[in-house]
Formats: sequence, structure tokens, C-alpha cells
Amino acid sequence: GENVEQHPSTLSVQEGDSAVIKCTYSDSASNYFPWYKQELGKGPQLIIDIRSNVGEKKDQRIAVTLNKTAKHFSLHITETQPEDSAVYFCAASRMGGNTPLVFGKGTRLSVIA
Amino acid sequence: DTGVSQNPRHKITKRGQNVTFRCDPISEHNRLYWYRQTLGQGPEFLTYFQNEAQLEKSRLLSDRFSAERPKGSFSTLEIQRTEQGDSAMYLCASSTRQGKHYGYTFGSGTRLTVV
Repeated sequence: GENVEQHPSTLSVQEGDSAVIKCTYSDSASNYFPWYKQELGKGPQLIIDIRSNVGEKKDQRIAVTLNKTAKHFSLHITETQPEDSAVYFCAASRMGGNTPLVFGKGTRLSVIA
Repeated sequence: DTGVSQNPRHKITKRGQNVTFRCDPISEHNRLYWYRQTLGQGPEFLTYFQNEAQLEKSRLLSDRFSAERPKGSFSTLEIQRTEQGDSAMYLCASSTRQGKHYGYTFGSGTRLTVV
């Protein structure tokens, strides 16, 4: 089955700096890769996703890149703000999300003002 | 109906007791998923439904766990004879097809503490 590895497990950045979180996956059939933000006491919230037919997607300060050959994808947050502090999860799924998501173990991001 | 609703938000139970959680998905979503999340880990898949049919169960779902979605709307997850290892956040998500793909929305979860 699918296995998703996520690094780093914790990340501290100064406000205004960029943050990068990386994930690798094992199942070459996976073609849907969402990223979730989870704040304390809340469920995961989708922040951006990418399908395997594109290599990069951007939404304001957030971007995701995908390298299908190497089976890795990354989340980039620019101009970080204190409210970006949270736990971020990557996930992978086959069939455009038609199969259950397999999650990484998460990255705790701390943005220091 | 603006999101996935889970009740209760918190549950403390004694070991050996049975507990039941409820999930109300977004009304037009035909798929409903249950995940379990322990401290410091990502959500782990337990089971999912398409309408009222339970399509897949993870091997994490021991025979003490049962899930139902009787009319294809809300779902319940029951844990019988709870153990301390069952302490976790239980997350529900719903999804529907959006074009060629599926979009998930998670609820806020039910945090179970077994003492």
C-alpha cells in the first residue's frame, strides 16, 4: 500500500521568511496530493492540492510542487505570518481522491514574530 | 449546512465501556470517511462509505469497532469494550466528486479519552 514520508517534523522560521515542507510517496498510481493545516483542537483544513497532471500550483503565499518521477511533492509558504503556525500534513490518494487519503506524520510549523 | 459536524466533541470513558460517535456530513456528499489520529501522528484511515454501503475497512478497525451509515446520511462509529489504546481523536470527513476528482472536508473530530 501507499506510504507517505514527511520532513521535517518541526520547523521554526522568522516571520516573513519562507517555509518548505517535503513529502515522498511510494505508490506510483497516486495522482492526488492535498495539503492540510491543522490548528489545535480542530480538524484538518485543506489549504491546497495538486493533481499529477501538473507540476506546480500556487495560491497567494502558498505553492505546491510535484515531481512524479522522483515521487515527491513540497509545500512552500512565503512571507510567513504568525497565524501560519500550525501542524501541516501532506497526503496522497489514487484515482483523483477516489480512494482514502494516506497521510504523512505532519510538520509542526512555528512562525516567530 | 456549512460543514461536517461531529458529536460529541469530547468523550471520557472508563476502560471496558462502549462509546458511540456521530458524524453528519455535508448533505450533498455521498462519501463518508472515518480516520483516527493519535498525538503527533497524521490521520489514519479506518473505514469509508459510499451512500449506505461500507466499501473498505482498514486492518486498524478491530472487531471491537463498527461503523454504520444506515440511510446514507449521518454515520455512527461504535467502539465496544474500550481500551486505553483507543484514546485518540476520531475524525470524520465527507467528499463528493468535483469534476474528475474528489474534494474532502473534515469535521473537528471527537476526542476520546479512555481512563
